[in-house]
Amino acid sequence: EAGVAQSPRYKIIEKRQSVAFWCNPISGHATLYWYQQILGQGPKLLIQFQNNGVVDDSQLPKDRFSAERLKGVDSTLKIQPAKLEDSAVYLCASSLAGTRRGTDTQYFGPGTRLTVL
Amino acid sequence: AQKITQTQPGMFVQEKEAVTLDCTYDTSDPSYGLFWYKQPSSGEMIFLIYQGSYDQQNATEGRYSLNFQKARKSANLVISASQLGDSAMYFCAMRERIPGGTSYGKLTFGQGTILTVHP
Repeated sequence: EAGVAQSPRYKIIEKRQSVAFWCNPISGHATLYWYQQILGQGPKLLIQFQNNGVVDDSQLPKDRFSAERLKGVDSTLKIQPAKLEDSAVYLCASSLAGTRRGTDTQYFGPGTRLTVL
Repeated sequence: AQKITQTQPGMFVQEKEAVTLDCTYDTSDPSYGLFWYKQPSSGEMIFLIYQGSYDQQNATEGRYSLNFQKARKSANLVISASQLGDSAMYFCAMRERIPGGTSYGKLTFGQGTILTVHP
């Protein structure tokens, strides 16, 4: 079974530029998550989708970050314009049952390492 | 208050010995899940083991076991017979129900513990 796919793996941009990350979850997984992991910290949720609806985007900086999951499968996370503090690893995860079960395991992709200069 | 606390920034262990990584958590929800993930230098988060709040027995997965002490709100990870490939960052995480509802939300992670296995 293929895991969570993410691209690109690395991205370097100047501040105020825009950038987009792509994620394809494990086949059949209803729930998709985007996490931001700043160096030396644990990941923090940016947004959670259940199929193509948003469950939680309370920690998404909506003035510059946006995300979509139009057909309930793959997802795109965009930053526009980027700031220096956005330098981090952006992790995508997916899970089968989503919000219904606390036991539902989230499986992570390899991440995209973003550097903003 | 921190929801997940990992008090050991770094741990060292000799190859083939056992090591315990500490995790304490804070929640008022009686229904929750506790997870441990491994993050090697490559960056990917690898799921290791899960413990549900209502599980009567401690979880085990191969060389990994979870020492779950509900009253103390601790969920320590025990790695037996350490291997060089176990050197990585280890994260404890908790999943609770979204406040006011019955649906489960995000994972909340601790700060992590860097484990180094010496030959």
